[in-house]
Amino acid sequence: DTEVTQTPKHLVMGMTNKKSLKCEQHMGHRAMYWYKQKAKKPPELMFVYSYEKLSINESVPSRFSPECPNSSLLNLHLHALQPEDSALYLCASSPALRGRVGGVKETQYFGPGTRLLVL
Amino acid sequence: EDQVTQSPEALRLQEGESSSLNCSYTVSGLRGLFWYRQDPGKGPEFLFTLYSAGEEKEKERLKATLTKKESFLHITAPKPEDSATYLCAVQVYAGNNRKLIWGLGTSLAVNP
Repeated sequence: DTEVTQTPKHLVMGMTNKKSLKCEQHMGHRAMYWYKQKAKKPPELMFVYSYEKLSINESVPSRFSPECPNSSLLNLHLHALQPEDSALYLCASSPALRGRVGGVKETQYFGPGTRLLVL
Repeated sequence: EDQVTQSPEALRLQEGESSSLNCSYTVSGLRGLFWYRQDPGKGPEFLFTLYSAGEEKEKERLKATLTKKESFLHITAPKPEDSATYLCAVQVYAGNNRKLIWGLGTSLAVNP
């Protein structure tokens, strides 16, 4: 099973709202990712968690706040967003195996995304 | 600078008309090349991972190949349901982590 689930599927919020996006995987993966994708563009990396610790923050504005409560869950807390933040938000996970000779095969598996509209 | 370029940007085929999509890359320290399929409004669906030059992988009507400078995604006798955007990404080291460098994708339309 290579399933990553995301909720909600759609979200409409005002610029003063606080909302959260949720992501879950049960593949035993220890790396989880948040991406933002605009129309006709490739995914743009926002955050990476490795073994529940934030390992990459791609200079994302503080109105986006990630959280990794455990190895299966990843949240993205949203506060005071701008209309230009409207996009498809994608979660992904990968094994993050350690200690394998010859390198690590780190295929990322994506969830279906949350379509966010900021009014 | 690490870079991934996909061509063509868009491709329209007739059902059954075979063709190839190209993904060329210039990166330091390739740690894998990935092909994904993405339907509108959905997350990318993993297709293939290639790690070394000469490697080939197949899945139904799709075959991916890898050289030291590029990868091809061959589509044999495509069907309308193969219509999607095909994304290529190269994995590189980023400190103790790995990141994907993405191409802009090829939008494929297969007409019945």
